Parts: sequence; structure tokens; C-alpha cells
Amino acid sequence: GQNIDQPTEMTATEGAIVQINCTYQTSGFNGLFWYQQHAGEAPTFLSYNVLDGLEEKGRFSSFLSRSKGYSYLLLKELQMKDSASYLCAVEDSNYQLIWGAGTKLIIKP
Amino acid sequence: IAGITQAPTSQILAAGRRMTLRCTQDMRHNAMYWYRQDLGLGLRLIHYSNTAGTTGKGEVPDGYSVSRANTDDFPLTLASAVPSQTSVYFCASSPGTGGQPQHFGDGTRLSIL
Repeated sequence: GQNIDQPTEMTATEGAIVQINCTYQTSGFNGLFWYQQHAGEAPTFLSYNVLDGLEEKGRFSSFLSRSKGYSYLLLKELQMKDSASYLCAVEDSNYQLIWGAGTKLIIKP
Repeated sequence: IAGITQAPTSQILAAGRRMTLRCTQDMRHNAMYWYRQDLGLGLRLIHYSNTAGTTGKGEVPDGYSVSRANTDDFPLTLASAVPSQTSVYFCASSPGTGGQPQHFGDGTRLSIL
């Protein structure tokens, strides 16, 4: 079967760094996406990884290891507005996205 | 402003009624998708369309139908609503498939009583 695992909830402090992990087992792999979703809103695209390694985009970075079926999203210099759910999704061999349940990130002052 | 528009924003519906959720995009994207999002679960794909005139079944298609008569519109119909279809429904689109980020509408909150 296909499976995407993420922690359900994480808490971090404003100004700190947090790493959100995602492990996956899917039928085929054509890339991994990270999305941000604020409560009551639509998901918005953050990053895409298809090759192993780190992709940096401002305060956010995403890492992929295809051999380990593992990715993480790194958020630096946390701000209160970063309080949201972070969704990991893998594009399978049919080019469809398989989604994790999301990690709710709570930022405390 | 370019994007995806969903209607209605929210709806309460009696079980057994027919309901169509509307989705329109003005980005000329080829691919469109319908998802449902339930608490504690990831987004689940209901139906998709890789290009106008074609549709396909996703992970949870039963009880739903779609059509894609043109590039812009992708309506989702519940033929006879049941309480288990209570959910938040998101429409999304992407330029194509294969590493293309999906852009989401604001969602429709549907309650079936």
C-alpha cells in the first residue's frame, strides 16, 4: 500500500528552528511536495524535491533522500505567522499526489 | 486576479439530495483535481482531469461524478448525498502533470444531514 507518515503536531518557539519529517512508501516516485495550510484556508505550495539533497528558499528549506524514503522541511527564524499545518505529498507513478495527514505546527512567543 | 474559484463556500444539504460543487480556473491549466479533506486524514483524490474532455477516478470516487467540457470548468456532482460525504472539498489545478505544483481553491464546506 501507499503510506505517508508525518508527526501529528509539533511545538516550537518564535525565532527558533524546527524540522518537520516525512517518510513515505509509495508505488513509484516522481517527486515530493511540501504545502502550507493555515486553519480554514487552502493549501499553498512551498517546495518541490525530485533529486536527493537540500533545496533552500528563504527561511524554508526542504531535503530529500530517495534511498531512505525520507524528506524534511526546515523552517528557520520562526514567526508567529508560521503557525499552520504542513502537508507532505508524494507524486506517484501515475502522477497523482498521495498526501500525508499533515503536521500542525504551533509557535509560542 | 488569476486563480481558482469554488462555489458555494459552504452548504448544508439534506441526505438524498443532488448537489453540484462548481470550480472555475482562469490560468489555462490543463489538469484539474477534486479532493476531500477530513480531520486526521490527508487530502484524498476523488476525481481528476489531465486535460479538457478526459476524466479519471481517484482514491475515493464512489458517489461522485465529474465532467470537463472545457479547460476552465470542472464541476463535481453528488448524485444522492449521504452523511459520510460531509467534508471540506477542494478543487485544484496545475499546468500539467509531473512535478507541477497544484494551486487550490478556497474550498467548499459541505454538511450532509
